Amino acid sequence: AQTVTQSQPEMSVQEAETVTLSCTYDTSESDYYLFWYKQPPSRQMILVIRQEAYKQQNATENRFSVNFQKAAKSFSLKISDSQLGDAAMYFCAYREGNEKLTFGTGTRLTIIP
Amino acid sequence: ETGVTQTPRHLVMGMTNKKSLKCEQHLGHNAMYWYKQSAKKPLELMFVYNFKEQTENNSVPSRFSPECPNSSHLFLHLHTLQPEDSALYLCASSRQVSEQYFGPGTRLTVT
Repeated sequence: AQTVTQSQPEMSVQEAETVTLSCTYDTSESDYYLFWYKQPPSRQMILVIRQEAYKQQNATENRFSVNFQKAAKSFSLKISDSQLGDAAMYFCAYREGNEKLTFGTGTRLTIIP
Repeated sequence: ETGVTQTPRHLVMGMTNKKSLKCEQHLGHNAMYWYKQSAKKPLELMFVYNFKEQTENNSVPSRFSPECPNSSHLFLHLHTLQPEDSALYLCASSRQVSEQYFGPGTRLTVT
């Protein structure tokens, strides 16, 4: 079974600084999808960024980018120029084809003003 | 707003009550999901519906009963729940090979 591990239960970063959230996963497949979701205190889970495993280029969405290391099965999220609105739980998730999403346990990110 | 709505947002029920959670998606998606989110645990997938057909039941107790009358609506019927069923219940939808969009959740407390 696939597993997703987020080893940092909590992280904090100074406003305007950069922070990296870690995620590793376990799979024997070569074709799959990876996601980062954000869940602010209002609780609505929002997709932040997605990465297709067959793409070598790291995905980027404005201030959010990933470092996808396929051989190492690592998928970290970098948030640049952190803003107060970035405070949330961040979940890493894995999906293989049409299969279900497997989530990590989440990292709570605090932004220090 | 993600285009997925859930009602009610909060629900307190006794162990002998029967209640239903509702989810509606306005995105034209054909797959819908129920998840359970408990503190300090990964999201647990409960049920998956594709084109109104249930394609996954992740060993969920029978006191949870899903219903998907059409591609836009998903219900979770609850009866004789236990206190350990207290959690945030999230609904999501997607096109089949695509990312999922989540609703705001229903915070359920079983007393």
